[in-house]
Amino acid sequence: AQSVTQLDSHVSVSEGTPVLLRCNYSSSYSPSLFWYVQHPNKGLQLLLKYTSAATLVKGINGFEAEFKKSETSFHLTKPSAHMSDAAEYFCVVSSDTGRRALTFGSGTRLQVQP
Amino acid sequence: SQTIHQWPATLVQPVGSPLSLECTVEGTSNPNLYWYRQAAGRGLQLLFYSVGIGQISSEVPQNLSASRPQDRQFILSSKKLLLSDSGFYLCAWSVQGWNIQYFGAGTRLSVL
Repeated sequence: AQSVTQLDSHVSVSEGTPVLLRCNYSSSYSPSLFWYVQHPNKGLQLLLKYTSAATLVKGINGFEAEFKKSETSFHLTKPSAHMSDAAEYFCVVSSDTGRRALTFGSGTRLQVQP
Repeated sequence: SQTIHQWPATLVQPVGSPLSLECTVEGTSNPNLYWYRQAAGRGLQLLFYSVGIGQISSEVPQNLSASRPQDRQFILSSKKLLLSDSGFYLCAWSVQGWNIQYFGAGTRLSVL
């Protein structure tokens, strides 16, 4: 079984300050981990993925995440928030079982204040 | 390049009416296809997935059904909608054997 816990339902930052969105996972298999972003009433866009290569993963729009197996964490960070980063972010785990289904966290809504 | 289309974008239906949401993928063959539902303020819940024509697996028993009549077409249906069927429905696809999924723009369904 696998699960994902996003530790904050809402995060508010000021424009130009760092962003930290926290995610912990549980998986019986070697997990693949993803972060997706969803802007209001839009589909989900893949930000970045970890698939057992480098533990520090760089994604689009300046985001990156670090896989820490000892802490079972996969936190998403960005050095400097932009107004356009305001959206909902989902941490996702996929097992290596055949059906390749994804398990989603409940999401973190990021607000960026001017 | 591959693209995924979902329609309609929004839908308002009365309780007890039927439902048909359609999803098509272009630019790839034999994809895995998925239907998710996102209830207000919650994460995504996998409803159905398909690894081939006519092959549907249901994750959550409920009022909905799915069909895959063609390789790149995935349809979500209901004979009689319930209030609890309201939500944001997302279709996704992935390459067979890979776990990266690509999502459509979604359908906002309101059952009144």
